[in-house]
Amino acid sequence: GESVGLHLPTLSVQEGDNSIINCAYSNSASDYFIWYKQESGKGPQFIIDIRSNMDKRQGQRVTVLLNKTVKHLSLQIAATQPGDSAVYFCAEKGYSSASKIIFGSGTRLSIRP
Amino acid sequence: GAGVSQSPRYKVAKRGQDVALRCDPISGHVSLFWYQQALGQGPEFLTYFQNEAQLDKSGLPSDRFFAERPEGSVSTLKIQRTQQEDSAVYLCASSLAAGGPRNEQFFGPGTRLTVL
Repeated sequence: GESVGLHLPTLSVQEGDNSIINCAYSNSASDYFIWYKQESGKGPQFIIDIRSNMDKRQGQRVTVLLNKTVKHLSLQIAATQPGDSAVYFCAEKGYSSASKIIFGSGTRLSIRP
Repeated sequence: GAGVSQSPRYKVAKRGQDVALRCDPISGHVSLFWYQQALGQGPEFLTYFQNEAQLDKSGLPSDRFFAERPEGSVSTLKIQRTQQEDSAVYLCASSLAAGGPRNEQFFGPGTRLTVL
């Protein structure tokens, strides 16, 4: 069946360093991927997305990489700040439909001062 | 502008009680989704509405779960005869369109349900 999962449940990073959060997916037909940030007591917040016809997309301080050969996604956060502390989920959904989002289990990112 | 709001934010129920959780989507949003998020897990899809029509309820875990959106705006998720395994955060999300590129879903803060 479909599944989106993560390699590591927790990640601790020094403030100012770059963070890399990894994710594996199993459905080779997946065509659209999203990274979400969820802070305590809040709903998931969209960070960045990527379609399957791309292998890299950049936003403000964030980059998503997609390797379709090994079915792997990563989220890179540059110059990590205390406000980046949260749980990060990779997710998959259909691109052109009002379809459900399939979430992975999440990685908690903590920042060391 | 206002985002998705949910009420109550916290609900404690005794096992066997019925509960009703409310979602106010962003005004004008056609699509509305409910998700269940167990502690330490990612959200899992429950059901989807397009306007007042419930088009997908494949994620509802049992017939104790019921959702409605009678006028195509506010939605209510009802859980009858609550069980301890129903304890979770219930998230609502809305999106502007019924389809089309990206069609980003905007999430509310969730209702944390604890069943004792």
